[in-house]
Amino acid sequence: NAGVTQTPKFQVLKTGQSMTLQCAQDMNHEYMSWYRQDPGMGLRLIHYSVGAGITDQGEVPNGYNVSRSTTEDFPLRLLSAAPSQTSVYFCASSSPGPGGDTQYFGPGTRLTVL
Amino acid sequence: AQSVTQPDIHITVSEGASLELRCNYSYGATPYLFWYVQSPGQGLQLLLKYFSGDTLVQGIKGFEAEFKRSQSSFNLRKPSVHWSDAAEYFCAVVGNDMRFGAGTRLTVKP
Repeated sequence: NAGVTQTPKFQVLKTGQSMTLQCAQDMNHEYMSWYRQDPGMGLRLIHYSVGAGITDQGEVPNGYNVSRSTTEDFPLRLLSAAPSQTSVYFCASSSPGPGGDTQYFGPGTRLTVL
Repeated sequence: AQSVTQPDIHITVSEGASLELRCNYSYGATPYLFWYVQSPGQGLQLLLKYFSGDTLVQGIKGFEAEFKRSQSSFNLRKPSVHWSDAAEYFCAVVGNDMRFGAGTRLTVKP
């Protein structure tokens, strides 16, 4: 098992550009989520999904879109990047829910928006 | 929604000394509680978790945590800190989703 994988590891964008952060898991977990980590603020939940076709907003969803067409993949889209979205992004998965046996985290994507 | 407070932003302890990291949560029902550790440039590693039952939970690397419902707390402890424990520690609570505290950075003095 590869666990939770994220691509890319690093990305630099200009303000207004769009991009998709990829997240995939091979553990057949129903629950997947995206967090952003900023200094002094811990991890804040952006969006989450309890299964294919079902997504919901977390604490800080503005500026981000998600979709869940398959169990394995949960991409995070930035439609028009802003400097405030400079952060480290973590994807996570677990089963049967967020409090499932263990929540597995990906290695993170470090995004800089100029 | 549920929330977590970690009152200490930064703690420094000497190697071999005991450690306690504080965590307070807010949630209307019985919470699921977690402690994670993050080394610089790394992802998060689960130290321990509380779902129900015994309120004293043992984790990896010699850590333990005690759930105290009356105080809405889930403090992390270790009797003797090692230099390799220097990292950032996050407490988390699960309701409908998982919410994290802001983290406590641990520095270990030789």
